[in-house]
Amino acid sequence: NAGVTQTPKFQVLKTGQSMTLQCAQDMNHNSMYWYRQDPGMGLRLIYYSASEGTTDKGEVPNGYNVSRLNKREFSLRLESAAPSQTSVYFCAYGGPDVSPLHFGNGTRLTVT
Amino acid sequence: ELKVEQNPLFLSMQEGKNYTIYCNYSTTSDRLYWYRQDPGKSLESLFVLLSNGAVKQEGRLMASLDTKARLSTLHITAAVHDLSATYFCAVDLMNRDDKIIFGKGTRLHILP
Repeated sequence: NAGVTQTPKFQVLKTGQSMTLQCAQDMNHNSMYWYRQDPGMGLRLIYYSASEGTTDKGEVPNGYNVSRLNKREFSLRLESAAPSQTSVYFCAYGGPDVSPLHFGNGTRLTVT
Repeated sequence: ELKVEQNPLFLSMQEGKNYTIYCNYSTTSDRLYWYRQDPGKSLESLFVLLSNGAVKQEGRLMASLDTKARLSTLHITAAVHDLSATYFCAVDLMNRDDKIIFGKGTRLHILP
């Protein structure tokens, strides 16, 4: 999707493994977000970042860490993956002003 | 804590009919967004509603916002099969923090 690159697109992990989901936006926007999407649950906010160097917890932060080292990149790390973290993860930039969120294409993560 | 509720969660309707999706939220906000998601795809922005009484229209879709009632509606006029998708509303807390919280989505299935 325009302006947002998410990698990888698919990932399978074993329980206990770690990984980092990468997200980069080239629109020079301050705010970035990580959501997870599960059937019947809509999108739930994991973490967000209002500006470079700041991060805040969302609705479901447990088991995740994030890093916003520069304005362009916002990464999501699973230190010890659990089957409950099987989900589709979306990164977005935009908001919370007049701009809507612009979403990446998502990462489909399976933890076995 | 901001809660966003959509109803119905699932809607099956005939082409040519009109229907409305409702989005209620639990705390004061003047910013509400509507998104569309096709199966297996990312989310795309439909409308941004920024004040009480705001109304936006695009084709057969019209969205409105009543901040006093904490209610937004997405009205579908003379539905066509191409509008089959999942529709999400999302609310942000504006200056209190930058969280943007989504409803669970309304899965719309339009029968030809």
